Amino acid sequence: DGGITQSPKYLFRKEGQNVTLSCEQNLNHDAMYWYRQDPGQGLRLIYYSQIVNDFQKGDIAEGYSVSREKKESFPLTVTSAQKNPTAFYLCASSIVSSGYYGYTFGSGTRLTVV
Amino acid sequence: QQQVKQSPQSLIVQKGGISIINCAYENTAFDYFPWYQQFPGKGPALLIAIRPDVSEKKEGRFTISFNKSAKQFSLHIMDSQPGDSATYFCAASESDYKLSFGAGTTVTVRA
Repeated sequence: DGGITQSPKYLFRKEGQNVTLSCEQNLNHDAMYWYRQDPGQGLRLIYYSQIVNDFQKGDIAEGYSVSREKKESFPLTVTSAQKNPTAFYLCASSIVSSGYYGYTFGSGTRLTVV
Repeated sequence: QQQVKQSPQSLIVQKGGISIINCAYENTAFDYFPWYQQFPGKGPALLIAIRPDVSEKKEGRFTISFNKSAKQFSLHIMDSQPGDSATYFCAASESDYKLSFGAGTTVTVRA
């Protein structure tokens, strides 16, 4: 079955530590996105990429980094510069074509600072 | 600053009743307005979407109403069922594939 796989489902980070969240898709989608979800704030865009080896900052990119070396993969690193990283992180992908913007989301990674 | 404002934050409806969620936007360049449904611990899933050239779209018990002049759109869930209990997000995009999401509405359907 085609879809998006996020791992791990739960992740615990110590103060000052960098952690990387994995996102893999087998939908052959061109674009991939990372969103952060906090209670009462909806989904906020962290980074997005429309083609391999290219990505753009979203609304809340500070303290995060990404790479897009393969079409299927878009890992997100939460760096120690992100002061409040506890949140639910969602990866999504979509076709890049005129008139179709439907997103497919993964099941998310819940990150907690301990 | 949220580009799409969603209300209410939460609502409770009796089984068989109608749930109504409203969204408003300012950016007139938005040309795609989807609604997503999210269950606890899961990622959102596309429910229904509309473009500004139509005023209403219906899929089963779910209907989007769109008012271009007022820059508002809403989701109506008819004959609400306990399985509809979830968080609903409206969103909007302006042809650059980035979706801007509302804050979400938690719907609880009481049996």
